[in-house]
Amino acid sequence: AQSVTQPDIHITVSEGASLELRCNYSYGATPYLFWYVQSPGQGLQLLLKYFSGDTLVQGIKGFEAEFKRSQSSFNLRKPSVHWSDAAEYFCAVAPGSGYALNFGKGTSLLVTP
Amino acid sequence: DAGVIQSPRHEVTEMGQEVTLRCKPISGHDYLFWYRQTMMRGLELLIYFNNNVPIDDSGMPEDRFSAKMPNASFSTLKIQPSEPRDSAVYFCASRGDGTGYGYTFGSGTRLTVV
Repeated sequence: AQSVTQPDIHITVSEGASLELRCNYSYGATPYLFWYVQSPGQGLQLLLKYFSGDTLVQGIKGFEAEFKRSQSSFNLRKPSVHWSDAAEYFCAVAPGSGYALNFGKGTSLLVTP
Repeated sequence: DAGVIQSPRHEVTEMGQEVTLRCKPISGHDYLFWYRQTMMRGLELLIYFNNNVPIDDSGMPEDRFSAKMPNASFSTLKIQPSEPRDSAVYFCASRGDGTGYGYTFGSGTRLTVV
């Protein structure tokens, strides 16, 4: 069955430290891959997306993600976290352009001083 | 670009009442999606449309839920009758056709059924 897994429910990092949020998917072919961020009480904002080509994707707010076909992963990274990055992060996958997004359960990021 | 517009932002209703949620997608987008977000189940797809035609409604919980898209600029999600377990945040999203488009979400409607 097609699925999206975010293994970490909660992650705590210190401000200024690096961050990596994990995402694994189970799909037959290379799907379209997305990362969204949601602040409390807000909607979902697109951080970055991957369709094809260069496997390292740059997004907004200093985030990047790397697609690794052999590991079926699309992990999100940021070299130095700011307190304002505290939020819920969702990995999402679509089998192709004419399909809906399937979301992971999300990872809640807490940033400590 | 005003983005995806949802109304109302908050809705509190009594059990058994009819609830209608509204969505205006981004102009020119061919796809429209309705999602529901709860703590227990996360983000679930309810239904999506392509060029105003429903493509997949397998996520609609039961017959109490219905969705329409009478034209390219408007969609509704109706719950009749509403139940406390329908309490959730309902998101609408839209995207353009073809490769390269992201899915843009509205701010959501927080529904509370008491």
